[in-house]
Amino acid sequence: AQSVTQLGSHVSVSEGALVLLRCNYSSSVPPYLFWYVQYPNQGLQLLLKYTSAATLVKGINGFEAEFKKSETSFHLTKPSAHMSDAAEYFCAVTFSNDYKLSFGAGTTVTVRA
Amino acid sequence: ETGVTQSPTHLIKTRGQQVTLRCSSQSGHNTVSWYQQALGQGPQFIFQYYREEENGRGNFPPRFSGLQFPNYSSELNVNALELDDSALYLCASSSQGAAETQYFGPGTRLLVL
Repeated sequence: AQSVTQLGSHVSVSEGALVLLRCNYSSSVPPYLFWYVQYPNQGLQLLLKYTSAATLVKGINGFEAEFKKSETSFHLTKPSAHMSDAAEYFCAVTFSNDYKLSFGAGTTVTVRA
Repeated sequence: ETGVTQSPTHLIKTRGQQVTLRCSSQSGHNTVSWYQQALGQGPQFIFQYYREEENGRGNFPPRFSGLQFPNYSSELNVNALELDDSALYLCASSSQGAAETQYFGPGTRLLVL
């Protein structure tokens, strides 16, 4: 089965510290990978996506992610956390012959002042 | 440009009843996907509609059904509601293609008593 796993259901960081959210995928074909953010009582907003172009992808709000085929990973980072980054983050995968997004279980980020 | 909208925002039903949720897709998009997000979990794919035809379906029973209209808006219908159907239902619109970004609406929160 092709899927995505997010390591760590909760991450707590200090304001100004590095944010690192981990995502690994399992697939026998090249994946398309996405990171979405969900604020309380809202829908999902796209942060960034990888669709087989550059392996380092820059997104909105200072986030970026690097596709590493050898490690089957697509970890999300932000150099300096802001209070407004407190939210739930989802990694998702799809494939060229697919029609659906398969989501990880999510990682909740809290930011300490 | 109007984003994806969903109605109603909240809904309370009792077990055995039927419910219809509505979604208006973003201008220029011809594909609508529906997801169910249970509390504390990632979204799960229900089905996708493309040009008024079901284009794929996840692991949901037939009592979950849908429609897409000529203006690409969509409905999700759930018959014989069960307690486990309580969830946030998300609609996403996109252009057709796996690499295309799916843009999510704010969701409809359904509570089944």
